[in-house]
Amino acid sequence: QVQLVQSGAEVKKPGASVKVSCKASGYTFSNHGISWVRQAPGQGLEWMGWISGYNGDTNYAQKLQGRVIMTTDTSTSTAYMELRSLRSDDTAVYYCARVSGSLFGPWGQGTLVTVSS
Amino acid sequence: DIVLTQSPGTLSLSPGERATVSCRASQSVSRSYLAWYQQKPGQAPRLLIYGASSRATGIPDRFSGSGSGTDFTLTINRLEPEDFAVYYCQQYGSSPPTYTFGQGTKLEIK
Repeated sequence: QVQLVQSGAEVKKPGASVKVSCKASGYTFSNHGISWVRQAPGQGLEWMGWISGYNGDTNYAQKLQGRVIMTTDTSTSTAYMELRSLRSDDTAVYYCARVSGSLFGPWGQGTLVTVSS
Repeated sequence: DIVLTQSPGTLSLSPGERATVSCRASQSVSRSYLAWYQQKPGQAPRLLIYGASSRATGIPDRFSGSGSGTDFTLTINRLEPEDFAVYYCQQYGSSPPTYTFGQGTKLEIK
């Protein structure tokens, strides 16, 4: 079955970077994009960006331009999301989701990133 | 960028009642690109409705979606205990792919 498995929880200091992985299985990786969505504690869903599983093209949310980098490794069917210059308000659960056109699904299990001094 | 505004923020109802959640877009959205997701505590969101009114696989028929242009509605008939969750609308824009979520509506047991 289609599955996305994310890396484990991270604790980072302000100013540091974090890189979260999302390993896909059960489908042809290059046929779908991956989007990253985050959710701060008690808050709603925030779309962070999209990466093509075919050619690595990206589109990032304007708010995160310059701080986020999304990449893929097609040899391992893994997507990565790196967020730099972390701030306390980056504390959130980060999700990856397979993209089929306009729709997200399935989703990874989520990765908690805590930014604290 | 398109902004999606959901109302109400919180909806308090009893099992068996009907829930109606509104999603208003700041500009016209193609029906094809409006979806609804359900999220329960500690879980990732789950697709409920796509194309504004089509139920995703396995979604009970008590869930329905409607609307067009800038106004969309999610209706849940005969609420079941498992329906109490947070609901999000989402829209898609192409070239390049861009996605926006509403701020969410919490459906809680009264």
